[in-house]
Amino acid sequence: AQKVTQAQTEISVVEKEDVTLDCVYETRDTTYYLFWYKQPPSGELVFLIRRNSFDEQNEISGRYSWNFQKSTSSFNFTITASQVVDSAVYFCARDNQAGTALIFGKGTTLSVSS
Amino acid sequence: EAGVTQFPSHSVIEKGQTVTLRCDPISGHDNLYWYRRVMGKEIKFLLHFVKESKQDESGMPNNRFLAERTGGTYSTLKVQPAELEDSGVYFCASSQSTRTEAFFGQGTRLTVV
Repeated sequence: AQKVTQAQTEISVVEKEDVTLDCVYETRDTTYYLFWYKQPPSGELVFLIRRNSFDEQNEISGRYSWNFQKSTSSFNFTITASQVVDSAVYFCARDNQAGTALIFGKGTTLSVSS
Repeated sequence: EAGVTQFPSHSVIEKGQTVTLRCDPISGHDNLYWYRRVMGKEIKFLLHFVKESKQDESGMPNNRFLAERTGGTYSTLKVQPAELEDSGVYFCASSQSTRTEAFFGQGTRLTVV
């Protein structure tokens, strides 16, 4: 299976700090999709972004931004000016070769204190 | 629009008993997935339905697990008989097509004692 690695198990920051969550993936495919999901304390996985392997432009959505570097097989996620509501577990994922399932990383638990 | 709903939210059963988890996908989503997260580990794929057909069940751990999706609407995942290592959070997700965003439910936390 092609792995997704989130090396940071837990990160703690104080409100208004910027924080970057790392994600490195393995692939032998030319075409693939990358994803980020957020799991707040309520438990459901909330979709944040999907990225096609052909689109290397960085993306910004409000305080969230994503840096896709194909050369290093990384898809990092930055939260600018973090808030307490950002506290959650964040999962990076990629689709499998058939596109029928997601391969998840172990997740990074982000704690933002006031 | 209602999201993906899962029942029950928690279940505690004894080893050897049977448990059935239910998932109601978003209306109109042909693709339905089951995943599981065992404590401290990755969320792992179990299987994928397209309508009522199993497209990929390569992630099912063993034959104690049986998933169905009669009529292509809701799905059930039965564990019989349950073992201690089956404890974890079982997630269901649905999507309109593959390779698009999948919408997840809140999960069912299963504890086998």
